[in-house]
Amino acid sequence: GAVVSQHPSRVICKSGTSVKIECRSLDFQATTMFWYRQFPKQSLMLMATSNEGSKATYEQGVEKDKFLINHASLTLSTLTVTSAHPEDSSFYICSASIAGGYYNEQFFGPGTRLTVL
Amino acid sequence: TQLLEQSPQFLSIQEGENLTVYCNSSSVFSSLQWYRQEPGEGPVLLVTVVTGGEVKKLKRLTFQFGDARKDSSLHITAAQPGDTGLYLCAGLSNSGYALNFGKGTSLLVTP
Repeated sequence: GAVVSQHPSRVICKSGTSVKIECRSLDFQATTMFWYRQFPKQSLMLMATSNEGSKATYEQGVEKDKFLINHASLTLSTLTVTSAHPEDSSFYICSASIAGGYYNEQFFGPGTRLTVL
Repeated sequence: TQLLEQSPQFLSIQEGENLTVYCNSSSVFSSLQWYRQEPGEGPVLLVTVVTGGEVKKLKRLTFQFGDARKDSSLHITAAQPGDTGLYLCAGLSNSGYALNFGKGTSLLVTP
């Protein structure tokens, strides 16, 4: 149980285009989902917290107009990187917290490798 | 932001050796979690420690939460190449929802 999927696993796009990444909780309902980015050989940096049916809460320094987050259902959250640039190239990972779960344990997706040319 | 410091940052050992990874903070956490991440994959939860002084064992891995709930350690006995990966500790932030991650310990176990 507690499986989280991400799609796509890898994406290469041209500078200036937008990319949408999906995060799904497959066998549980997630009232809260989180989006992280990770640069090579570094730890995870929280970008935003997404609650179903409400606006996402962004961490300081993360542009909400550039990283659009939608959490329309209890099993799906999407991250859209708008007008992507090479510096947005990174490993994007989502996680989901089980509603009423044990100490808000988070279960992570397999990540999406974004490369912007 | 509640910072978590992990040490060592890198560790390269031979199969069969023992090792300990530390996770320290000046802040008190209601719980700490340990994750293991392999290259190109998302982190996988290993354990959650909640009570000060708590010790949890997962096969050859032993996790301890400090009495004051400010630090934690991960001890691996007789390491195997399959233990290779990035070990991350994380604690719940003041919001009670988001996790603050340490910078991780990259472990390489060679045969």
